[in-house]
Amino acid sequence: AQSVTQPDIHITVSEGASLELRCNYSYGATPYLFWYVQSPGQGLQLLLKYFSGDTLVQGIKGFEAEFKRSQSSFNLRKPSVHWSDAAEYFCAVGENDYKLSFGAGTTVTVRA
Amino acid sequence: GAGVSQSPSNKVTEKGKDVELRCDPISGHTALYWYRQSLGQGLEFLIYFQGNSAPDKSGLPSDRFSAERTGGSVSTLTIQRTQQEDSAVYLCATTRGVTSPLHFGNGTRLTVT
Repeated sequence: AQSVTQPDIHITVSEGASLELRCNYSYGATPYLFWYVQSPGQGLQLLLKYFSGDTLVQGIKGFEAEFKRSQSSFNLRKPSVHWSDAAEYFCAVGENDYKLSFGAGTTVTVRA
Repeated sequence: GAGVSQSPSNKVTEKGKDVELRCDPISGHTALYWYRQSLGQGLEFLIYFQGNSAPDKSGLPSDRFSAERTGGSVSTLTIQRTQQEDSAVYLCATTRGVTSPLHFGNGTRLTVT
């Protein structure tokens, strides 16, 4: 069975600082990996995804994530955080057919 | 509509009552998921529909939960004899396939009193 761990429940970062959100997964094969963001009062939105190829994936809103097979990780990064990045972030892993498992989420607070 | 539509957006019900939650998917999206988001928890998979295949019900927490998808389109999640622990946001998501992004509805916030 697949599982996803987001070790950080809550992260506070200053505006303009860099951000890294951790995601570790457990899955027997190479999974499909996703990051979703849920802004306050809004629905979930896909930030980026990885299926194969280049292990550094670029997403929307200036986010990127790197797949590291040896560490079973898919950490999300942004070089310079904006106040509008305050949200909850979910990492998800999918089997090669359909079922997505989501992590518990990391809440990001941005301070001025 | 342009997106996944869920109704009602909010539902308050008394313990022991039955509730029905509705999801209208994006046209052409053959895969439909129900997830539950409880306070402080991640997204919990409930059930998955793909075309005419038998649904994957492995995530349903008890036999009080059931779901249907009629004609491969609209889906209804039914919770019988609701309990307080059923209070959560129930999210519906649809996609063309696993390599395509999930499109989530805004959810139904269920409160069981």
